[in-house]
Amino acid sequence: GENVEQHPSTLSVQEGDSAVIKCTYSDSASNYFPWYKQELGKRPQLIIDIRSNVGEKKDQRIAVTLNKTAKHFSLHITETQPEDSAVYFCAARNIAGGTSYGKLTFGQGTILTVHP
Amino acid sequence: DTAVSQTPKYLVTQMGNDKSIKCEQNLGHDTMYWYKQDSKKFLKIMFSYNNKELIINETVPNRFSPKSPDKAHLNLHINSLELGDSAVYFCASARRDSGGLKTQYFGPGTRLLVL
Repeated sequence: GENVEQHPSTLSVQEGDSAVIKCTYSDSASNYFPWYKQELGKRPQLIIDIRSNVGEKKDQRIAVTLNKTAKHFSLHITETQPEDSAVYFCAARNIAGGTSYGKLTFGQGTILTVHP
Repeated sequence: DTAVSQTPKYLVTQMGNDKSIKCEQNLGHDTMYWYKQDSKKFLKIMFSYNNKELIINETVPNRFSPKSPDKAHLNLHINSLELGDSAVYFCASARRDSGGLKTQYFGPGTRLLVL
């Protein structure tokens, strides 16, 4: 089955700096990669996702890049703000074939702290 | 505007008890999930139902039994609770979009503490 590794486990930055979180996956058939943000005591919420036919996607201060050959994808947050502090999860899913029911395999999570 | 809701929000119980967690979604989705998030924040899928049919059943003790009375509800019953069952349990739902993808929306979570 799919295995997703996420690094770093903790990341501390100053307000205004950029933050980068990286994930690698094992199943070359995986073709959908969402990122979730989970604030303390809250539910995970989708912030951005990317399909395998796209190399990069951007939404305001966040962007995701995908390298299918190397089987890794990254989340980039620019101009970080204290409210960006949360746990971030990457995930991978294989939507091909008969098992396209959305089984997500999550990374271990990255605790991002943005210091004012 | 609650999309995915869970009850109860908190559940404190003794070892050996049986308890249920309920989940409802009003998004018209056809697929629902149960995830367990342990103390290290690791999110792991437990079950998934599509149109009331069990389609994903990960390696979970058979003390855990999901039940889907209809597409909008997925409940989780846990028998003979153990200390290691303490975690946050998240329900999620999803639908297929035009590209065949399923964006998952999570419920608020149920914080289970077994004493």
